[in-house]
Amino acid sequence: QVQLVESGGGVVQPGRSLRLSCEASGFTFNGYGMHWVRQAPGRGLEWLAVISHDGRRQFYADSVKGRLTISRDNSRNTVFLQMNTLTAEDTAVYYCARDVGRAWNYADQWGQGTLVTVST
Amino acid sequence: IVLTQSPGTLSLSPGERATLSCRASQGFGSPFLAWYQQKPGQAPRLLMYDASARATGIPDRFSGSGSGTDYTLSISRLEPEDFAVYYCLQYGSTPFTFGPGTKVDL
Repeated sequence: QVQLVESGGGVVQPGRSLRLSCEASGFTFNGYGMHWVRQAPGRGLEWLAVISHDGRRQFYADSVKGRLTISRDNSRNTVFLQMNTLTAEDTAVYYCARDVGRAWNYADQWGQGTLVTVST
Repeated sequence: IVLTQSPGTLSLSPGERATLSCRASQGFGSPFLAWYQQKPGQAPRLLMYDASARATGIPDRFSGSGSGTDYTLSISRLEPEDFAVYYCLQYGSTPFTFGPGTKVDL
């Protein structure tokens, strides 16, 4: 069955960087686009970024453009989210999710999320 | 594109019908709208896509409709496991955007 397992979360100081990973299994990873979505404590879902199946195209939410970078390594069945210059507003659970197709569609499968806390 | 969901909270009882609204600030290439259900401590679960298509395994008491800028998710008869938060997502125009959610509670 499809499994998405996020890792890399934790407590980080403001201004620092963090890279999240999401390892996929149970499907042909290089055939699907991948998304990152976050959820601040007690808040709603915020779509962040999508990457095409081959990694050639990415698109970002305006709120994070230039500060977050999505990438993937199809040889490792893994998608990444590089986050720079973190602030308290980045504190959230970060979910990776599988696109239903090669990219630019809805997400049909989700990981359980990894918590990022930005704090001194 | 900003999505607005109403009401913010819907207080109902099991067996009642729920009607949730999602309205977009502008068109986004209808019918590229999905609905997700989220329970506390869990990841979102896909319910509907393309406005009216049920995802795999979703019971037929869930239905979706709408076009243009106005969309609706209906739950014909609420079961105890349906009490949750529901989000709409538009994927017709980048950047994709979620609505703020509607909480269906007792």
